[in-house]
Amino acid sequence: GQQVMQIPQYQHVQEGEDFTTYCNSSTTLSNIQWYKQRPGGHPVFLIQLVKSGEVKKQKRLTFQFGEAKKNSSLHITATQTTDVGTYFCAGPSAGGTSYGKLTFGQGTILTVHP
Amino acid sequence: DTGVSQDPRHKITKRGQNVTFRCDPISEHNRLYWYRQTLGQGPEFLTYFQNEAQLEKSRLLSDRFSAERPKGSFSTLEIQRTEQGDSAMYLCASSLVTNIVYGLAPYEQYFGPGTRLTVT
Repeated sequence: GQQVMQIPQYQHVQEGEDFTTYCNSSTTLSNIQWYKQRPGGHPVFLIQLVKSGEVKKQKRLTFQFGEAKKNSSLHITATQTTDVGTYFCAGPSAGGTSYGKLTFGQGTILTVHP
Repeated sequence: DTGVSQDPRHKITKRGQNVTFRCDPISEHNRLYWYRQTLGQGPEFLTYFQNEAQLEKSRLLSDRFSAERPKGSFSTLEIQRTEQGDSAMYLCASSLVTNIVYGLAPYEQYFGPGTRLTVT
């Protein structure tokens, strides 16, 4: 079945440093979504990328979708303590009636030391 | 609060007991999803509904799990004869899908706070 993998599993940074997490899918994706889950919280939607090679920015966050639509990345510039949490990528399942189903990566846990 | 709500937030039960969780989605949303999340993992898909129709159930889900969305509004997830391996956070999410186009993924999903199940 479809697999979505993220690296690294953990990332510890000093406040002000940059952070990047990478997401790779075993299949081509029609789109990819990114979610953030704060400690003790629930996943919150950040963004959806649809087009091959697409780049979107949200303040200090930059999201990219690979040309082959099988990988994606999230880059945070100058991290702040409010960026702490787990970042998940998620892709729709391929084929059949599975368009409602998202396959999540295992997430990257970001800790920021002040 | 117009977000997704779940009840209860925590449930402790003994092995072999049945449990039922409720999810109230955002009112205008037509899709409702159930996921399970264990520590250090991303949410794992269980099942989803388009209005009142259950469109897919994960092959990983045993027959002890059943979900309903009788009037296309709230949903319940029941686990019968609970096992210790069922201990997890059960997340509900909803979304509004206005056009279903072949190959087009669903829109963003709004998650509820989850129900944490502990089976002793």
